[in-house]
Amino acid sequence: EPEVTQTPSHQVTQMGQEVILRCVPISNHLYFYWYRQILGQKVEFLVSFYNNEISEKSEIFDDQFSVERPDGSNFTLKIRSTKLEDSAMYFCASSAGQNNQPQHFGDGTRLSIL
Amino acid sequence: EDQVTQSPEALRLQEGESSSLNCSYTVSGLRGLFWYRQDPGKGPEFLFTLYSAGEEKEKERLKATLTKKESFLHITAPKPEDSATYLCAVQARGAAGNKLTFGGGTRVLVKP
Repeated sequence: EPEVTQTPSHQVTQMGQEVILRCVPISNHLYFYWYRQILGQKVEFLVSFYNNEISEKSEIFDDQFSVERPDGSNFTLKIRSTKLEDSAMYFCASSAGQNNQPQHFGDGTRLSIL
Repeated sequence: EDQVTQSPEALRLQEGESSSLNCSYTVSGLRGLFWYRQDPGKGPEFLFTLYSAGEEKEKERLKATLTKKESFLHITAPKPEDSATYLCAVQARGAAGNKLTFGGGTRVLVKP
């Protein structure tokens, strides 16, 4: 069964450094998403992406964050200058369409900021 | 603002002991309510989508139902492999980017 894959599984970074999280969505999907889950808290929406544009973003997704689809298969989340509070599990998801099509999630990247 | 509350936070069941999980929601027009299963260290795994009040979906020992204010996930005769965190999420009508708003989840432990 097709799945969303994320790399790396764990990323440790010094505060202030840039980090790029990578995702390969399901191949025929058109909509892409990033969510995060701080330890012990709810899964939170960050951003959605369609047709090479951001469709919606949350208040969390400030100027430090950016997303890109650099080629036909990868979808990346960049955090420019990491803060301690960016430590979380970051999940990538994709869906075939909009209008209540299910979003399928990868297994996440655990980001630890020191 | 869309809100999702799940109860209980944790549930310990004996194998075969049926139970129900609750997901209460407030949303500005519901486009869809989604149930996911999450195992430790893994991402949410899609289970069901419910679209309108009165709808029911079933998969093996799981059955999801929907009213205008809440959804229930019924686990019938659970087995240890049903142990997981079950997440509920809503998508609002008019959500330009298909944003999902999640509840805090219910951790289910099924003991043999």
